[in-house]
Amino acid sequence: AQKITQTQPGMFVQEKEAVTLDCTYDTSDPSYGLFWYKQPSSGEMIFLIYQGSYDQQNATEGRYSLNFQKARKSANLVISASQLGDSAMYFCAMREVNFGNEKLTFGTGTRLTIIP
Amino acid sequence: KAGVTQTPRYLIKTRGQQVTLSCSPISGHRSVSWYQQTPGQGLQFLFEYFSETQRNKGNFPGRFSGRQFSNSRSEMNVSTLELGDSALYLCASSLAPMGTGNSGNTIYFGEGSWLTVV
Repeated sequence: AQKITQTQPGMFVQEKEAVTLDCTYDTSDPSYGLFWYKQPSSGEMIFLIYQGSYDQQNATEGRYSLNFQKARKSANLVISASQLGDSAMYFCAMREVNFGNEKLTFGTGTRLTIIP
Repeated sequence: KAGVTQTPRYLIKTRGQQVTLSCSPISGHRSVSWYQQTPGQGLQFLFEYFSETQRNKGNFPGRFSGRQFSNSRSEMNVSTLELGDSALYLCASSLAPMGTGNSGNTIYFGEGSWLTVV
């Protein structure tokens, strides 16, 4: 069963506009963590933001914020004032425990293209 | 401080050969995990090491193995390479074992090793 769902395979956004990348997750574990990573064409996975399941406030890191809606199992990434350098693949990931085995499970990603 | 370093960055191997990839974690990080990324399967977890012990393992055949040294550097080995092993192999490090700790236990990735099997 798909644990992390990213429904937007690709998005085109005008430069300087805000963009929201969707992520929903499925887990029965009360303790989990959610990550967003950016992957440019070079291949490196760049950590953007983290949200713990017990965190009371939505995480923010500069232009990145995470819209965490626990009841809806949603963890959308919001990028404010998009820049050309934001063009990349974006992955949502969840750290979970499955039969005592801990791992990081990734979604299929969203390719974001910023248009000048 | 230096990030996660992976070597080599690019390599080409022949089917049936074996390959060893290296990963140096961020200084002070003791957890190292490995991932395989392919266009068809996406990002998949291989295994995690902490303090030289394998803590977690993904659903990969025994041809995929790894180890961690006392300085936290890790290597992964793939024996009897198959064409389907062509992928980007990513290494990640964190302070505490994956799945533990608080929001400060963030997982950082390296640039990856691009493996092509011909």
